[in-house]
Amino acid sequence: AQSVTQPDARVTVSEGASLQLRCKYSYSGTPYLFWYVQYPRQGLQLLLKYYSGDPVVQGVNGFEAEFIKSNSSFHLRKASVHWSDSAVYFCAVSATGNTGKLIFGLGTTLQVQP
Amino acid sequence: EAGVTQSPRYAVLQEGQAVSFWCDPISGHDTLYWYQQPRDQGPQLLVYFRDEAVIDNSQLPSDRFSAVRPKGTNSTLKIQSAKQGDTATYLCASSFRGHNQAPLFGEGTRLSVL
Repeated sequence: AQSVTQPDARVTVSEGASLQLRCKYSYSGTPYLFWYVQYPRQGLQLLLKYYSGDPVVQGVNGFEAEFIKSNSSFHLRKASVHWSDSAVYFCAVSATGNTGKLIFGLGTTLQVQP
Repeated sequence: EAGVTQSPRYAVLQEGQAVSFWCDPISGHDTLYWYQQPRDQGPQLLVYFRDEAVIDNSQLPSDRFSAVRPKGTNSTLKIQSAKQGDTATYLCASSFRGHNQAPLFGEGTRLSVL
């Protein structure tokens, strides 16, 4: 069975600082991996996805993530955060070939301080 | 291009009442998903359709929940006799069949059962 662990429930950083949000997955096959962001009282917006190829994937608004198979990780990074990045970030995994059936982590709340 | 549209945005019920949620997916998307997101948790898949057919409803509480997509476009999720434990945000998402297609989400319906 697939599962996702986001070990940090809350992360606080200063505006302009770099960011890493951690995600570890469990899946016996080759996973499809996703990061979504959720702003207050809104749905989920896709930031980026990984299916194959280059393990570093670029997303919207300067976000990127790196797939490290040996570590079963898919951490999200951003070089310089803005106050508008404050939101809840979800990592998700799906089985190869079934991209819609996503298993989500519990999410990480990011607070960017001015 | 219009995104996934859901209505209503909010619903408040007493236990035992019924409620229906409606979803209009992105035009041309043949796959539609319903997720349940309890407060402070990640979304959990309830059911998904390809065209009008149910592909997986294994996580749908069948005694009180039902979902239909009769013409392969819009969908309705219904809860009969709601319980306090059903309090959550109900998210609809859609995607196009095929590999590398991440689901795109609507803004959700926030349900409170008193």
